[in-house]
Formats: sequence, structure tokens, C-alpha cells
Amino acid sequence: KAGVTQTPRYLIKTRGQQVTLSCSPISGHRSVSWYQQTPGQGLQFLFEYFSETQRNKGNFPGRFSGRQFSNSRSEMNVSTLELGDSALYLCASSLDRSYEQYFGPGTRLTVT
Amino acid sequence: AQKVTQAQTEISVVEKEDVTLDCVYETRDTTYYLFWYKQPPSGELVFLIRRNSFDEQNEISGRYSWNFQKSTSSFNFTITASQVVDSAVYFCALSGVYQTGANNLFFGTGTRLTVIP
Repeated sequence: KAGVTQTPRYLIKTRGQQVTLSCSPISGHRSVSWYQQTPGQGLQFLFEYFSETQRNKGNFPGRFSGRQFSNSRSEMNVSTLELGDSALYLCASSLDRSYEQYFGPGTRLTVT
Repeated sequence: AQKVTQAQTEISVVEKEDVTLDCVYETRDTTYYLFWYKQPPSGELVFLIRRNSFDEQNEISGRYSWNFQKSTSSFNFTITASQVVDSAVYFCALSGVYQTGANNLFFGTGTRLTVIP
């Protein structure tokens, strides 16, 4: 079974721009969660989508948004990029609540 | 609030030694899940184990074992006869079913394990 895939793997953007990251979950998984990993703040939960609906949200500003499509693929968008948004963005999929989450390889975003 | 503490920032061991990674958690949820993940240099988080709050049985999987003790709010991870391939950052994580949502994982700060050949 194919794992979680994320595209692109690396991105370099300029402050003020926006970016869209994509995640394809494991086949059959309906829940997709996004996390941000930085050296200073560690791993932090952004949001979770299930059946095209946001089911849970972490403490991030409204510049961070996401969506999920009918095939469970998910995208997250960050608008008006700031230097502090430089991070590894990880996507995870699971069957449903409380099941183990399987992570993709991440998208490393650098904001200059 | 949910909180996970991994007090050991870095550990170095010589190959074939046993090593225990500590994890202490805090939660007000009565139903919660605990996890361990491994992050090798490639960056991808690899799932190792999930344990629910009602199951305090210890678990062994090959060279890996986990000791869950609700009385001390700890979920420690032991690698027996460590190997160089075990070198990675290990994260303990917690999700509370009711207060913050079951798929919102709260991670510890991680323990970097280096196994010296």
C-alpha cells in the first residue's frame, strides 16, 4: 500500500507571498491532519479534515487554511507568508479518530 | 491542557547497549491515547506504537518494549541491544479524546538518540 505523499518536497517563497501544499493520504484513510515542525516550537497541530470538513483546529492564525477533497486528498494554504512560517509541514492520515496517524515525508518551506 | 515532557534531550549509547527513553504526560481527559514516533534524518515520522488509556499492559515488539504506568503518568520506551539504525529523534505524543480532539496529537520535544558503532 502506498504511503502518504506530499508535494512539493521543497519550496522557497518570499515574504508576503502565498503557498499551497498538497497531501495524498493512504488509500482508504479519510482523516488528514497537518502539523508544523520548527526547531523552536517543535511539532504543532494545525488542523484536521474528515469527509471534506474541518473537524479540529490548532492555535494558528487565520492565514493558515486548508481543505479536503472528495477523494480525501488535502491541501493547506498559507497566505501572506512571514519569515516565521519557515518550517517542515507534515501531513498525516488515519482511518478515523484515535487511530494511529501515518505521516508523509513533509514539505520543507523556506520563506526569505 | 495536554502536555508531554521528554526530559532527555540527547542520549548517546554504544551499539548493543540497552536504552530507555522517558515520557511523562499530563491530561485531564479520562480517555486518551499515547504514541511513540521515530524521526530518522530523512525527516519522515515513523509510527511505532499506540496505546489507549485503559490498556496498561506492557508491550514488546522485537527489540522494542513500552512500559505504560498510569500511576506515574509515564509511557517509557526501551530499545534492547541498540543498533546504529536506531539513531533518530524519538517523539512521544498524546491525544485526548474529549478535550482537544482525538486526532490532535500533542508531541514532546523529542529525544535524539545516537548509537555509536
